Amino acid sequence: QLVESGGGLVQPGGSLRLSCAASGFVVGDSYMYWVRQAPGKGLECVSVLDRNDIIRYADSARDRFIISRDDSKNTVYLQMNGLRVDDTAVYFCARGAGPPPGEWGQGTPVIVSS
Amino acid sequence: EIVMTQSPDTLSVSPGERATLSCRASQRVNSALAWYQQKPGLAPRLLIYTASTRARGVPARFSGSGSGTEFTLTISSLQSEDFAVYYCQQLHEWPWTFGQGTKVEIK
Repeated sequence: QLVESGGGLVQPGGSLRLSCAASGFVVGDSYMYWVRQAPGKGLECVSVLDRNDIIRYADSARDRFIISRDDSKNTVYLQMNGLRVDDTAVYFCARGAGPPPGEWGQGTPVIVSS
Repeated sequence: EIVMTQSPDTLSVSPGERATLSCRASQRVNSALAWYQQKPGLAPRLLIYTASTRARGVPARFSGSGSGTEFTLTISSLQSEDFAVYYCQQLHEWPWTFGQGTKVEIK
């Protein structure tokens, strides 16, 4: 099971840290994903942290977002800095043994607005 | 980045009928292609990976085919619970891009 938290309303330029608490498996043994969906739009793979600690970012997230993992808490994070209006979306945490992600959380909404 | 284009944008189908959804990649992705189903307010659900392998628990009426740049998701006999938006995703080259989605609606 994956449970996201940390979303909310933030002003442009602000920061948020999303959390994804996992149960029933070890996050360090999985590919962990953050995928977002803007209102009424499609899906975008924002970041991936694989079990070899290789990290990937979409161009839209590079230099602003940081994915990380706390093995002691079995939790994955997405630190989002310099938020922009176009970062407004539901952010899903997902996992898989590799790509693609086969298990998804319920999502947490992020609204960037003044 | 690889651009994924799905067609049609909307497919109107009667229950019990067959639905055929298409996905085209702007360059070859071999068989690194997945399909997802998404219902309103819910997370996507993985249906198919490596172009033609059904994920665990996915009914046999869902099948995927294709390789290279052209892919198809077929739903052999639509059930009421199948009306949703379907997305393809290539996993050949980062960023792992999605198509824009095909909405399957009741005719």
